[in-house]
Amino acid sequence: KQEVTQIPAALSVPEGENLVLNCSFTDSAIYNLQWFRQDPGKGLTSLLLIQSSQREQTSGRLNASLDKSSGRSTLYIAASQPGDSATYLCAVRRSNSGNTPLVFGKGTRLSVIA
Amino acid sequence: DTAVSQTPKYLVTQMGNDKSIKCEQNLGHDTMYWYKQDSKKFLKIMFSYNNKELIINETVPNRFSPKSPDKAHLNLHINSLELGDSAVYFCASSQASLKQYFGPGTRLTVT
Repeated sequence: KQEVTQIPAALSVPEGENLVLNCSFTDSAIYNLQWFRQDPGKGLTSLLLIQSSQREQTSGRLNASLDKSSGRSTLYIAASQPGDSATYLCAVRRSNSGNTPLVFGKGTRLSVIA
Repeated sequence: DTAVSQTPKYLVTQMGNDKSIKCEQNLGHDTMYWYKQDSKKFLKIMFSYNNKELIINETVPNRFSPKSPDKAHLNLHINSLELGDSAVYFCASSQASLKQYFGPGTRLTVT
């Protein structure tokens, strides 16, 4: 059974810092991995999706890496801003079968202090 | 131009009632999902469905049932509501195994 763990559970940093969020998964046989952002009381916004054959994806100040063999992914946020404050969720998909759901970690709650 | 929408956004009801939550996606996706986020903010899959197959998480009580009138809709029906059903329910959709898009969530409170 796939389990996804995110460390740390909460993180507080001053504005402008670069930071790394960690995600690990127990079964390396994944099809893809997706990083989401969730603001309080809101839905999930997809940030990046990495296919199992890829090693990283970049979008603006965000960079996500994937080491499938070791069961790890990291989300790097450069030059953090107060608007980055949210909960960041990592989720993996087991196969490319059409309706395979995502298995989520419990998230990292990020606070960026101005 | 909302991608995935859910109604209602908030639902407060009493134990024992039957309720439904609606979900619609206008992305032309072929697969839809229901997730439950509990009080500890942990997201778990309840159902995943495309026009060929419904997959049910075995931990979901049979009081919960998804109904899909067409490819763009996957509604969630809940019978005999219990206190423990209080949570935020998220609908999502994807085209096959590609990126999943989530709705804004429905906060269900059972009193």
